[in-house]
Amino acid sequence: DQQVKQNSPSLSVQEGRISILNCDYTNSMFDYFLWYKKYPAEGPTFLISISSIKDKNEDGRFTVFLNKSAKHLSLHIVPSQPGDSAVYFCAASDAGNQFYFGTGTSLTVIP
Amino acid sequence: KAGVTQTPRYLIKTRGQQVTLSCSPISGHRSVSWYQQTPGQGLQFLFEYFSETQRNKGNFPGRFSGRQFSNSRSEMNVSTLELGDSALYLCASSWDYSNEQFFGPGTRLTVL
Repeated sequence: DQQVKQNSPSLSVQEGRISILNCDYTNSMFDYFLWYKKYPAEGPTFLISISSIKDKNEDGRFTVFLNKSAKHLSLHIVPSQPGDSAVYFCAASDAGNQFYFGTGTSLTVIP
Repeated sequence: KAGVTQTPRYLIKTRGQQVTLSCSPISGHRSVSWYQQTPGQGLQFLFEYFSETQRNKGNFPGRFSGRQFSNSRSEMNVSTLELGDSALYLCASSWDYSNEQFFGPGTRLTVL
């Protein structure tokens, strides 16, 4: 059973606009969340993380929002750039026991 | 410093065969995790090794096994290959499992 879900397999956004990638989870014990970016023929690379004691974490153009009551997190990319085109995975863990990944969202930023 | 390396990058096997994949973590990292990536399933956790001990295991059949050596290098073995084992196998290392993981480029396994 998929404990972390990314319901949008793909997303297209114009360059300069905001990209919003969503992720839902079912396990209320998850306390650490991450976003990874993956280019073809490469392994995922860490992008940004957030612990459950926060509701927002920002790093440059990337911001992750966590809504614990809704068991939902989102990644905002502002402004979107063509180099951001990749597959984005969200992941969650419970006290470092195991990481659960979503199925990924393929983002295309149109120049 | 050098990243996570995985060998081989590509493999083609036939049903019933077995395969061994190798992963060399970033120097100093003692935790190595393995994931299977298939279309529509995302990354599915296989197992995690820390200091030569399997610390966590995902929900995969016993045909999937692994080990870790004293230098933290890890191998994953799949016996009696099935068509459904065709996937990208990713290895990730970290200082400790709860920290950020660094992924290798993966081994693309095709089972015919």
